[in-house]
Amino acid sequence: SAVISQKPSRDICQRGTSLTIQCQVDSQVTMMFWYRQQPGQSLTLIATANQGSEATYESGFVIDKFPISRPNLTFSTLTVSNMSPEDSSIYLCSVVRGNYGYTFGSGTRLTVV
Amino acid sequence: GENVEQHPSTLSVQEGDSAVIKCTYSDSASNYFPWYKQELGKRPQLIIDIRSNVGEKKDQRIAVTLNKTAKHFSLHITETQPEDSAVYFCARSSMDSNYQLIWGAGTKLIIKP
Repeated sequence: SAVISQKPSRDICQRGTSLTIQCQVDSQVTMMFWYRQQPGQSLTLIATANQGSEATYESGFVIDKFPISRPNLTFSTLTVSNMSPEDSSIYLCSVVRGNYGYTFGSGTRLTVV
Repeated sequence: GENVEQHPSTLSVQEGDSAVIKCTYSDSASNYFPWYKQELGKRPQLIIDIRSNVGEKKDQRIAVTLNKTAKHFSLHITETQPEDSAVYFCARSSMDSNYQLIWGAGTKLIIKP
């Protein structure tokens, strides 16, 4: 399975600011996914990022709030913009090799104060 | 709908006993069913998965069964150990959903010594 390096691992941010989370994969992958996980909850898909095209956002998530970049097949970023305390959560990137075999980054624990 | 129903939400078993977690789905196009284990503060880790052309799969103390007719699949852990304590998530995907994972709500498994 792919190895994913995600950073930062955690951050405490002031409301109104933005944070960019990075994921670097050790091999080329077509699909990358960004998730949010509230404490004690399941994973909620934010968007799917494919190289060379705009990210596809799930209901309730918009590009202005969560812009995503996918400049190549091994890297992606998710920005959480104009943060509020409600954005405090764990953010995870995930990749899939072929059509199965999803693996996850180590997560970014975001606290907005 | 698309959701995956997962039960129970919490399961407490005596060390050495078996644990069973069940998930049901409604989309008959689903063809891939992974199970993830998430320890506190860590990323989800794939522990076992099954594809729709197989009814059962085993890996040491862990097994997954799939009943495509009834649209449910289950995780079985035998001879439970303290390190099995974690949150377990089921998921499903299909070609129709572009292989995106649809997640269950999770089961908190507690192994009592």
